[in-house]
Amino acid sequence: SQKIEQNSEALNIQEGKTATLTCNYTNYSPAYLQWYRQDPGRGPVFLLLIRENEKEKRKERLKVTFDTTLKQSLFHITASQPADSATYLCALPNSGGYQKVTFGTGTKLQVIP
Amino acid sequence: DADVTQTPRNRITKTGKRIMLECSQTKGHDRMYWYRQDPGLGLQLIYYSFDVKDINKGEISDGYSVSRQAQAKFSLSLESAIPNQTALYFCATSDSSSEQYFGPGTRLTVL
Repeated sequence: SQKIEQNSEALNIQEGKTATLTCNYTNYSPAYLQWYRQDPGRGPVFLLLIRENEKEKRKERLKVTFDTTLKQSLFHITASQPADSATYLCALPNSGGYQKVTFGTGTKLQVIP
Repeated sequence: DADVTQTPRNRITKTGKRIMLECSQTKGHDRMYWYRQDPGLGLQLIYYSFDVKDINKGEISDGYSVSRQAQAKFSLSLESAIPNQTALYFCATSDSSSEQYFGPGTRLTVL
């Protein structure tokens, strides 16, 4: 199965700055990669999906890049706000079936006012 | 109303008891999943079902069983609960797009 690495240390940034989170994977190249947001004690919420043939995807203040050579995805939140504080998970499909995904452990983002 | 609901939201039980966690969805999706989440370990897949007649084991199915009663309902059972099954349990659904929709979670404590 896919091994996913996300920075387990919390990321603290100042309000208004751009937050950048990293997701690295180590096995086969996936057909797509997903990002989710999770608030404490709540279920993850889907944010973005980027396919292997897409370099970049944007949604409002969110931007995701996908580098299949580096086996890495970067997740950016521009003009960050305290309400963006949450844990962000990346997820990749398993090789045996694209409807099963493996989730990373997530990176906790804290936006300081 | 929420698209994916889970009951109960919280449950405290004793070792050896049988527990059932229920999940219902109104999204009309065929695919349903059960995950558990432990601090620092991320989401681990317990079981998944791609339609009513399809049940598959995930990464950590030992000690668990499931039932897909209808397209909209997927239940998870712990036949004989043990303390290391204390965790946050999530149900999720998806369609062919692979985007998953999660329920609010059930916090289970086994004493």
